[in-house]
Formats: sequence, C-alpha cells, structure tokens
Amino acid sequence: DSGVTQTPKHLITATGQRVTLRCSPRSGDLSVYWYQQSLDQGLQFLIQYYNGEERAKGNILERFSAQQFPDLHSELNLSSLELGDSALYFCASSVSGGFTDTQYFGPGTRLTVL
Amino acid sequence: AQSVTQLDSHVSVSEGTPVLLRCNYSSSYSPSLFWYVQHPNKGLQLLLKYTSAATLVKGINGFEAEFKKSETSFHLTKPSAHMSDAAEYFCVVTGGRMNTGFQKLVFGTGTRLLVSP
Repeated sequence: DSGVTQTPKHLITATGQRVTLRCSPRSGDLSVYWYQQSLDQGLQFLIQYYNGEERAKGNILERFSAQQFPDLHSELNLSSLELGDSALYFCASSVSGGFTDTQYFGPGTRLTVL
Repeated sequence: AQSVTQLDSHVSVSEGTPVLLRCNYSSSYSPSLFWYVQHPNKGLQLLLKYTSAATLVKGINGFEAEFKKSETSFHLTKPSAHMSDAAEYFCVVTGGRMNTGFQKLVFGTGTRLLVSP
C-alpha cells in the first residue's frame, strides 16, 4: 500500500458526460501528479500540482482540468467525454515535486466511456 | 527531450532462472532513473531508483539495476525468478528541468514478464 488513495475505483459513464476523479496524497506529500494509462498511448503524464498550485502540464486535453485543494487532495475533472478517454487514471504524490523525488502511485481509477 | 526504450515487450522465464529486462535511456543531462512494477489490476510500485549515487542499485524483492552511462542503459536483473514476479515492468526516466520544482516521469512502453513453473 503506497498511502495514496483514489476514488472511485471504477467509473462507467456515457459520451458527452463529465466526471470527477479524486486523489488523496500520502501524508506529508505536497506534490500531486496525474497520469493516464491507455493501450494505445501507454502511460502519459497529465499534470502536476504542488501545494495547491499548478506546476507543470503534460499531455492534458483542454477538456480536462485539475486542482489541488488546501488539504492537499486533488481532483481531476474530465468533461465532454469521448470513447477514447476510456483509460486507467493514476494519481501519484511526492514530498516536494523536486527533480529527484520518488513518486508513489495510487491504485488508479478505471474509466469506461460507453 | 528525455526518453526510454524498453527493448523487449515480453520476456518469458522459468521459475528459478535469472531475469533480465532491458532498458536504454536518452537524456540531455544526468538522469534519475526508476523501475516500477505493475501487477494485474494494481497500481504502480517502485522497485528501485538511481539518482547519481552508486551505479549498482538494489531494490525490493531481490531486483537490482546497473546504470551504465557509456551504454546509456539501465537494465533490471534478478538472479532467480519467482512466480509472483509475473507482472508488467516499466523503465522510467525523469523529465522536466533540474534545479526546479518540476518533475515529469517519462515511461517506457513496458515489458511483460511471464514466469512459468
């Protein structure tokens, strides 16, 4: 158990809908990251937050957004969902987000868009 | 830009035989390198990490990896495979910028390790 929690574990929804994925980092970690894992794209970095502020963006679509709250939990919002958004979404956390940090991953949320 | 290439998409071994999972990296500066393991329907677990200290890195569950700058390689090995080692293994390099608070992990495509009795 990494100490990173994600809810829900599974999510099934329809095209055009909006969903919110939630992540709680390990105790003491200030940085949160979101990743998408799909069969065709592999594991891709989406976005990083540090202590409530966005720090870096990766391959995140404009339809997706995220935030980190004062209690350090984070939410990833996915809107106008398409079939291709079906994937496993991972959250990770690290102490400071620094270059040599170790990221600890949650169990993931499996999103299925029908 | 940083990248990693995992040279084998699948590796099959027998229980009790050595494991070798190959990884080559590309980085414009001294990288941090990781191996993560993903068991079916599970999250990613850190096996080991290299950050410019000792070139031979020991990880959990008997795995180790050697950083070879001249070969730009970071191969993962284990002397004797167990059935429980069957999983997907990812070689990862740190992207982003040094001396900043930005870190981005760049994942390889993964190697599926199959262990037969």
